[in-house]
Amino acid sequence: RKEVEQDPGPFNVPEGATVAFNCTYSNSASQSFFWYRQDCRKEPKLLMSVYSSGNEDGRFTAQLNRASQYISLLIRDSKLSDSATYLCVVNMAGTASKLTFGTGTRLQVTL
Amino acid sequence: DGGITQSPKYLFRKEGQNVTLSCEQNLNHDAMYWYRQDPGQGLRLIYYSQIVNDFQKGDIAEGYSVSREKKESFPLTVTSAQKNPTAFYLCASSMKTGELFFGEGSRLTVL
Repeated sequence: RKEVEQDPGPFNVPEGATVAFNCTYSNSASQSFFWYRQDCRKEPKLLMSVYSSGNEDGRFTAQLNRASQYISLLIRDSKLSDSATYLCVVNMAGTASKLTFGTGTRLQVTL
Repeated sequence: DGGITQSPKYLFRKEGQNVTLSCEQNLNHDAMYWYRQDPGQGLRLIYYSQIVNDFQKGDIAEGYSVSREKKESFPLTVTSAQKNPTAFYLCASSMKTGELFFGEGSRLTVL
């Protein structure tokens, strides 16, 4: 089993739709979690950290389910500009500053 | 503006040549990282450094070397021993919180 797994997609959704991605992780002792956004042929950029209680930033909501070992990202009212690859990133316990990246989920928002 | 600068953006190398990729940051971050990204794969850690004059191997260090003589700089050398060096190389830095800030990346192509 991969340490961090994501559905590669692509998820094709119309503008205005709500879309959700999940990411599963294998190490139950993992301590911190992030969602990064990567545009085509560009560097990843932090979208949001994921907190135990869940957190929201505008149209984006991130949640953590430790019992089932997954994190999720919900995007409401999708915009064309949301089209990108979304990377799930997990900090495995005991690996001091070392983060493990998922392969990413590609989102394509269409008119 | 604070940030991370990678150079060159594009680099072509003949087989058997060593090349060095530059990474400079003015964010005053202690930790710096080098990742490699291949199509359809997650970012893989090559080397990381948490403090000046100290660095550790990541998951795919073979065929690469680094130095950390200054806090601001973490150059990566891709040696001729690296069997498949064509890839997108990303340098990042972070505070202890684990949030990564990436440079724009360097695309290396072996001819």
